[in-house]
Amino acid sequence: SQKIEQNSEALNIQEGKTATLTCNYTNYSPAYLQWYRQDPGRGPVFLLLIRENEKEKRKERLKVTFDTTLKQSLFHITASQPADSATYLCALGYSTLTFGKGTMLLVSP
Amino acid sequence: DAMVIQNPRYQVTQFGKPVTLSCSQTLNHNVMYWYQQKSSQAPKLLFHYYDKDFNNEADTPDNFQSRRPNTSFCFLDIRSPGLGDAAMYLCATSRGMGGELFFGEGSRLTVL
Repeated sequence: SQKIEQNSEALNIQEGKTATLTCNYTNYSPAYLQWYRQDPGRGPVFLLLIRENEKEKRKERLKVTFDTTLKQSLFHITASQPADSATYLCALGYSTLTFGKGTMLLVSP
Repeated sequence: DAMVIQNPRYQVTQFGKPVTLSCSQTLNHNVMYWYQQKSSQAPKLLFHYYDKDFNNEADTPDNFQSRRPNTSFCFLDIRSPGLGDAAMYLCATSRGMGGELFFGEGSRLTVL
């Protein structure tokens, strides 16, 4: 069955460092992959979309890579700030999206 | 300005008492989705509408129904809520399939 894996343990980093979050998937050949941010008790907010024929996408301090051979996406936040603390969800799909459980990021001052 | 609005934000119901959650959008998007998210779990797609076409996920229980009377509104009906249905229910929209989703703030359902 299709499986999306994100680190269940929270990632703790210091302000100013680069945060790197991982999304691995199995039994899936998605046409695109998306990353969302979710704050406690709130709905997810879209961050980036990358398609299967793209290797890398950037938006301000965010960068996402997509390796369809490794079946993995990496999500980077450079110069991280305490305000970046949240849960980050990856999602894959052809038409509808299937989400991972997310990884909590904690950025300390 | 809120673009996807869910009501109520918090709903408490008793075991077996029907509940309706509502979602409205000002984006004029074709597609509306309902996801269920339990604590520390992934959002799970229940169903979606592409315009008026209803698409049910294979493992969505019969206890869950949905209505989309017009482009702007979509409702989630839970006919006989059980304790296991306590969750955050997220409504989302998209312009066509395959693009970014715009989520509402969610409706948190508690079943007593």
